[in-house]
Parts: sequence; structure tokens; C-alpha cells
Amino acid sequence: NSKVIQTPRYLVKGQGQKAKMRCIPEKGHPVVFWYQQNKNNEFKFLINFQNQEVLQQIDMTEKRFSAECPSNSPCSLEIQSSEAGDSALYLCASSPGLLNQDTQYFGPGTRLLVL
Amino acid sequence: AQKVTQTQTSISVMEKTTVTMDCVYETQDSSYFLFWYKQTASGEIVFLIRQDSYKKENATVGHYSLNFQKPKSSIGLIITATQIEDSAVYFCAMREGLGYQNFYFGKGTSLTVIP
Repeated sequence: NSKVIQTPRYLVKGQGQKAKMRCIPEKGHPVVFWYQQNKNNEFKFLINFQNQEVLQQIDMTEKRFSAECPSNSPCSLEIQSSEAGDSALYLCASSPGLLNQDTQYFGPGTRLLVL
Repeated sequence: AQKVTQTQTSISVMEKTTVTMDCVYETQDSSYFLFWYKQTASGEIVFLIRQDSYKKENATVGHYSLNFQKPKSSIGLIITATQIEDSAVYFCAMREGLGYQNFYFGKGTSLTVIP
């Protein structure tokens, strides 16, 4: 069973509102990934961190999202101004390392609905 | 172009039978890593099994096993003695190269196990 913790499980926001979700990676995992899964089951990589440092992020994340993984605090992903198209399942995954053979372990997700 | 393709949208099987789910992938890398995950109705994604491209033996974990056919770029998931709780959406994923965002998912196969 996953040891990655995500809160809240469900989030409902109006358009233009901020939407913030949190993730506690599995203990000992320095690498954290955020993905967006849409209603068609498609996964979109958003951003990842090694400890507190951003490693990679896509343009959308850079422009409309803010994310951080502070030391000794949960990681967070925040949409600055929610849009209807942001309605999706947001998945946090953690990994024991940066190597491409390292398995990613997922949390239960935060389901965001933007009205 | 889709890097990971799961052609079966949904499958129904009787309990205690064996089911195979197909997945084909596309990569130019000589070394890559293949994963299968299961997503339950609640949205939780569970890691099941993986296959490293350089390994010739098919991976097996519990009642999950893989049919790795490298020349065909195919990595099928076999579930033996299926149980009701195996009902879920199964995702095939591939990680290649050195980029951290290079983790590609298929669109999933929905499995229903009928009692």
C-alpha cells in the first residue's frame, strides 16, 4: 500500500480561485513528482523535485502553478487561478532516487473540481 | 505519437481465471524500464511489477507476471487466479533516457472480474 500521503482527497473551487494540495512523500524518498490525470486517464507530468530543488517543469506549471517542497514540511502544488480545464486528479509520486530505473510510488491523489 | 499503447479499453473475466493485458511501447533507447500499475475505483495507484529491458527473464510478483517480448516491443501483464478485488484500471508505463519527465503512461485497461 502507498505510503505517500496526499491531502485533501477532494477539492472544489470556483474559477479564478486558488487551489492548493499537499503531498508527503514516502519516508526516505528525496524525489517527488506531480502529475495531472484527466478524465480520459491521460497522465501529464507537471513538475518534479529533488529535496527542495525543482528539477523539471512544463510551461503550464511555470506560468500558472506554484509548487514547493520545503524542508521538514509537506510538498505543495497550488494553482494560482483555477480554470475549468484544471478539473482533474492530481497525483503525487515519490521515488527513492533520480535514476530512470527507480520506481515511482503514487499517493491516492487530490481530485479537483473547478466549477 | 503515443509512446505506450494499450489497445484493450476494457476486459471482463470470470473469477479465478487468467487474464492477459497487452501493452506495446516505442523507444529508441537501448535501456529502458517498464512498469505496471493498478488504479482502484478510489483513484489510488498501486505499483504492481516492473521489467528492466536488459533482463531476459520475465518478472513475476505474486499472481502477477509479465510476458516481455523485446523484439515486438511488447510487455503484457498476466494475472492468474483473478479475484474480485483485481477489478481496477491497469496502466502500463515506460521510463527511458535521462530526463525526469520521461515517464510515459498508456491510457489504461479496465478489468472487471465477475464472481
